[in-house]
Amino acid sequence: GENVEQHPSTLSVQEGDSAVIKCTYSDSASNYFPWYKQELGKRPQLIIDIRSNVGEKKDQRIAVTLNKTAKHFSLHITETQPEDSAVYFCATRVERGTASKLTFGTGTRLQVTL
Amino acid sequence: DTAVSQTPKYLVTQMGNDKSIKCEQNLGHDTMYWYKQDSKKFLKIMFSYNNKELIINETVPNRFSPKSPDKAHLNLHINSLELGDSAVYFCASSQLPQRVAYEQYFGPGTRLTVT
Repeated sequence: GENVEQHPSTLSVQEGDSAVIKCTYSDSASNYFPWYKQELGKRPQLIIDIRSNVGEKKDQRIAVTLNKTAKHFSLHITETQPEDSAVYFCATRVERGTASKLTFGTGTRLQVTL
Repeated sequence: DTAVSQTPKYLVTQMGNDKSIKCEQNLGHDTMYWYKQDSKKFLKIMFSYNNKELIINETVPNRFSPKSPDKAHLNLHINSLELGDSAVYFCASSQLPQRVAYEQYFGPGTRLTVT
């Protein structure tokens, strides 16, 4: 089955700095790559996603890059703010027949300090 | 106007008991899921239902039995609860068809504590 590795597991940055989280995956059939943000005690929420036919996508301060050949994708957050502090999960989607499954990475705890 | 709702939010029970968690979505989605998030925050899929039909069953013990009475509801019943079942259980839903990027909407989670 799909294996998604995520690094780092924890990341501490100063407010205003950039943060980068990286994921690698194993299944070349993966065709969709979302990123979820989970604040303490809350539900995971989608913040950005990218399809397999796109190399980069940006939405204000967040961007995602995808390298399908190398099977890795990254989340970039610029000008970090304290409200960016949360756990971030990458995920990949693989379709097998009628089944479509998201496999999540192990999460990165981002702490933005003042 | 909660999109995906779960009840209860907290559940504390003793080993050996049987309990159920309920999930409802009002988004008109075709597919619903159960995820388990353990103490290390690992988020792992357990089941997926598409229009009341079981699509994915990720090697979950038989003590866990999902039931989908209609496509807006997916309940999870757990028999003979064990300490290792303690976790946060998230319900989620998404739209199909396939081959289109889609978002999974998560419920607020049910924190299950087995003592």
